[in-house]
Amino acid sequence: DAGITQSPRYKITETGRQVTLMCHQTWSHSYMFWYRQDLGHGLRLIYYSAAADITDKGEVPDGYVVSRSKTENFPLTLESATRSQTSVYFCASSRKETQYFGPGTRLLVL
Amino acid sequence: EDQVTQSPEALRLQEGESSSLNCSYTVSGLRGLFWYRQDPGKGPEFLFTLYSAGEEKEKERLKATLTKKESFLHITAPKPEDSATYLCAVQAGGSGNTGKLIFGQGTTLQVKP
Repeated sequence: DAGITQSPRYKITETGRQVTLMCHQTWSHSYMFWYRQDLGHGLRLIYYSAAADITDKGEVPDGYVVSRSKTENFPLTLESATRSQTSVYFCASSRKETQYFGPGTRLLVL
Repeated sequence: EDQVTQSPEALRLQEGESSSLNCSYTVSGLRGLFWYRQDPGKGPEFLFTLYSAGEEKEKERLKATLTKKESFLHITAPKPEDSATYLCAVQAGGSGNTGKLIFGQGTTLQVKP
């Protein structure tokens, strides 16, 4: 089915390890976004991309790296995971102004 | 600074008891205001987009309205299946075509049978 998928759905890792969260959309939307959701902070934008090979920082980009070699994929990498990066991560893509969200990845950093 | 504040943080209703959720915003030129529904363990699900003051949109028991400073999500005769967290977000004019959204912290609605 068409839509936006994220993998893995759950991940446990240790401090200092590199982790990559995957996001794939089948709509051919130009824009894609990564958010983290934490109690007390709501959804905060980490990075976004306007098209393949075009990315930019959001509100909380430190400690994260993104790439977008293909329109449909937008992976998010935590280069050296920290406990403060324990969170739920959502990927979204947009058709015009409206963003459509994936199911999320729950990440626990021990 | 662009900001979105939602109230109340939590709301408990009896089935059939109508109420409203509030979203107040401060933004440099509003391009759009968005309402999402989020169920536990899932991603936000798009409900409505409002673009200008006076605009209203409806979907089943939900009706969203917009003024120059705030938006309301009215829930008429709610059912237990309406229980969820409702998120409000704005897109500022300064964001150009980036589509960046600023989210409020949400209102968690519980509807008891």
